[in-house]
Amino acid sequence: AQKVTQAQTEISVVEKEDVTLDCVYETRDTTYYLFWYKQPPSGELVFLIRRNSFDEQNEISGRYSWNFQKSTSSFNFTITASQVVDSAVYFCALIPTSGTYKYIFGTGTRLKVLA
Amino acid sequence: DVKVTQSSRYLVKRTGEKVFLECVQDMDHENMFWYRQDPGLGLRLIYFSYDVKMKEKGDIPEGYSVSREKKERFSLILESASTNQTSMYLCASSLGSGPSYNEQFFGPGTRLTVL
Repeated sequence: AQKVTQAQTEISVVEKEDVTLDCVYETRDTTYYLFWYKQPPSGELVFLIRRNSFDEQNEISGRYSWNFQKSTSSFNFTITASQVVDSAVYFCALIPTSGTYKYIFGTGTRLKVLA
Repeated sequence: DVKVTQSSRYLVKRTGEKVFLECVQDMDHENMFWYRQDPGLGLRLIYFSYDVKMKEKGDIPEGYSVSREKKERFSLILESASTNQTSMYLCASSLGSGPSYNEQFFGPGTRLTVL
């Protein structure tokens, strides 16, 4: 099965707290791509990061960091010192390279950052 | 600034009506996609297109059709709207002609209510 699981439906944190959004994926492919998107209240999904299956280096971009671990099939996303503007729905997605390269999205995690 | 626009943010239609959802992108992208987003289900792919006059079924094409007469425009058609098609509809585009692992750029969505 090819699948993405975001077990956290909704998370609430107080501003300046750190928060980690979990993403677990399943694929039989050895080559695949993982993504994170942010959907603010305005509606459009915004691309945050893409990772291929051969690059397990963690990535940091400002307050955002991503931890990719093939051993546990996880691609978790951490926001450090959260801000109210981080409030959004976050989607993890997988593109397996067999088949038609279609996105497989998780169900999303709604993050609420309270002032 | 790259942009994907959708013709309406909110739409209310009656059961049995024919509904057109329009999407235009200004990035000269070959690939375009239609998704529907429902709570607890994430994004599900309805149809996609890798080129003008080309279309492919996604995961949930039943009850929908599409049209791509021009590169920049991708229309989603509900032939006879039903209440179970009440949803948020998101259009996206990406660079590349054919299967691609490039990031997708999304429109703001159309929230369709079928009464």
